[in-house]
Amino acid sequence: DTGVSQDPRHKITKRGQNVTFRCDPISEHNRLYWYRQTLGQGPEFLTYFQNEAQLEKSRLLSDRFSAERPKGSFSTLEIQRTEQGDSAMYLCASSSLDPTGSNEQFFGPGTRLTVL
Amino acid sequence: AQSVAQPEDQVNVAEGNPLTVKCTYSVSGNPYLFWYVQYPNRGLQFLLKYITGDNLVKGSYGFEAEFNKSQTSFHLKKPSALVSDSALYFCAVRVSLAYSGAGSYQLTFGKGTKLSVIP
Repeated sequence: DTGVSQDPRHKITKRGQNVTFRCDPISEHNRLYWYRQTLGQGPEFLTYFQNEAQLEKSRLLSDRFSAERPKGSFSTLEIQRTEQGDSAMYLCASSSLDPTGSNEQFFGPGTRLTVL
Repeated sequence: AQSVAQPEDQVNVAEGNPLTVKCTYSVSGNPYLFWYVQYPNRGLQFLLKYITGDNLVKGSYGFEAEFNKSQTSFHLKKPSALVSDSALYFCAVRVSLAYSGAGSYQLTFGKGTKLSVIP
């Protein structure tokens, strides 16, 4: 399978714990995105990388959230001191580099986080 | 700021009938518009996009969408619905690079429309 993969698919944690999610993009894609989707809503943008550089961050990305893409390949999203409001589906997407920026983003299956 | 509205939370259509899922957008500058479909327990799948040119774009699984600049709409259509088309559909927008300059790549999504095709 050459699509975007995410691990784990499900995570249940207690409030106050730290969690980390991993995303492996399509291998030739330079751009990687993180989104959050809550029930009944569309995905909301969190952050975006071009290769290893984090170029955009949403104001939704509080200081408890940090994302990395150290070698320009896979990415991790860490949430520290989780809160119940962090419960959501975390989606990763990737796209290829193109000068017009019009290429579609390909999404992974998501990691569903439940904070008890 | 950019935004997307999908005015219908749910659309019901009989199998074999034409379907339309509505989307309107607001963006400063020229838009790039996308439709995605989400099946239960699966990620979003790309259906089609409008970048420039012909206002009618064709995509996967027989879907098409019509870009209307004056009405700021990008409605998704299919001539004959299948039961297997039942899913959650999302419209998304971003500003073209030529306008945004710095290159904002974030997509703004609507809330989604649940399509149910009745046998």
